[in-house]
Amino acid sequence: GAGVSQTPSNKVTEKGKYVELRCDPISGHTALYWYRQSLGQGPEFLIYFQGTGAADDSGLPNDRFFAVRPEGSVSTLKIQRTERGDSAVYLCASSSGDEQYFGPGTRLTVT
Amino acid sequence: SQQGEEDPQALSIQEGENATMNCSYKTSINNLQWYRQNSGRGLVHLILIRSNEREKHSGRLRVTLDTSKKSSSLLITASRAADTASYFCATVSSGTYKYIFGTGTRLKVLA
Repeated sequence: GAGVSQTPSNKVTEKGKYVELRCDPISGHTALYWYRQSLGQGPEFLIYFQGTGAADDSGLPNDRFFAVRPEGSVSTLKIQRTERGDSAVYLCASSSGDEQYFGPGTRLTVT
Repeated sequence: SQQGEEDPQALSIQEGENATMNCSYKTSINNLQWYRQNSGRGLVHLILIRSNEREKHSGRLRVTLDTSKKSSSLLITASRAADTASYFCATVSSGTYKYIFGTGTRLKVLA
């Protein structure tokens, strides 16, 4: 079956702009995670959804970051007033148990 | 940093040799998982070991867990060029669904 997909695969934006990153999880997976990965580092937890609700958003770095999952499937990570330090690969993963299935990521570059 | 630590940071071996990488973490965990990442994009789940297990095998992979030392090791036997990738451990603390990833080991297997 289809895996986790993320769009766009690459996004270049100017400092101060707003961006949305989309994640389509595996059908039927109730858990969805967002991570941010900088070069040479491991994925850094941002937020976890169980169904439609954010069960743990403790990893969001500040209030410029927000994520939604209105129907318990597709999720959108929203970043306002982007800064150069937001440049990274943003990974999404979904799960129906202990194992996470990752998407290919969105590489965000803020110029 | 919320991340666990892995060592070595980089490892280069000849095809057919064994590769061992280690992971240390900071809190009590529910389980520990190992993931592989190629080319800095999506991660692939390799193996999970629960806190009440000490050793687990899957094909050419062997994982050990020492909860008293808060450490785990991943052994890849009879390595192949296709094993070249970054390997990350991820822990889930008891009572949460928040995954904490290590800093990763970059493995290069020379043909």
